Amino acid sequence: DADVTQTPRNRITKTGKRIMLECSQTKGHDRMYWYRQDPGLGLRLIYYSFDVKDINKGEISDGYSVSRQAQAKFSLSLESAIPNQTALYFCATSDPGGREMNEQFFGPGTRLTVL
Amino acid sequence: AQSVAQPEDQVNVAEGNPLTVKCTYSVSGNPYLFWYVQYPNRGLQFLLKYITGDNLVKGSYGFEAEFNKSQTSFHLKKPSALVSDSALYFCAVRDRGSTLGRLYFGRGTQLTVWP
Repeated sequence: DADVTQTPRNRITKTGKRIMLECSQTKGHDRMYWYRQDPGLGLRLIYYSFDVKDINKGEISDGYSVSRQAQAKFSLSLESAIPNQTALYFCATSDPGGREMNEQFFGPGTRLTVL
Repeated sequence: AQSVAQPEDQVNVAEGNPLTVKCTYSVSGNPYLFWYVQYPNRGLQFLLKYITGDNLVKGSYGFEAEFNKSQTSFHLKKPSALVSDSALYFCAVRDRGSTLGRLYFGRGTQLTVWP
């Protein structure tokens, strides 16, 4: 999925530290999403953005914030990391094209460990 | 409320045998349905989707899925499994009446194909 890139791919940090995860895409899509994946829980939506000026909370936004710096960039921040934020984080994009049938394209993920 | 259930955490099949990964959904309106696959240390890859029309949808890598409106199911199938099909599979749903564009994912089913 080279069209959607995430940095860093792995990160180990300590409780209380501020962390930023970055996502960039070259697909030209307006919509971008941040998910976290936990074993046995599937993917849960943290935040989503339909364009640079439109950002919405997902089902588990507490403890997270986002910034949509440009159409191609969508960053996720943990202001004060805690151990239960240890997870695999995915960025995704989609192009609605006026319809809701289009699939989402995922980045390779960032594995975050909070000690 | 929208939700997806994948009743089996694990599915084990022998190579060459047919495989089925089950998915049932709940949406307030009519659904768009998706299947994704996740290989180890990779992001999610789109397999196939149901939009409208023929209830049998064909996708990548020889996979297909059957939409059953009365049973609210969208089971993933493949006539002859390969060892390389071993991965984590996610079903996802979107209400076609929604403008939010959000996908709701199941918890995932780990498919293991043994030689």
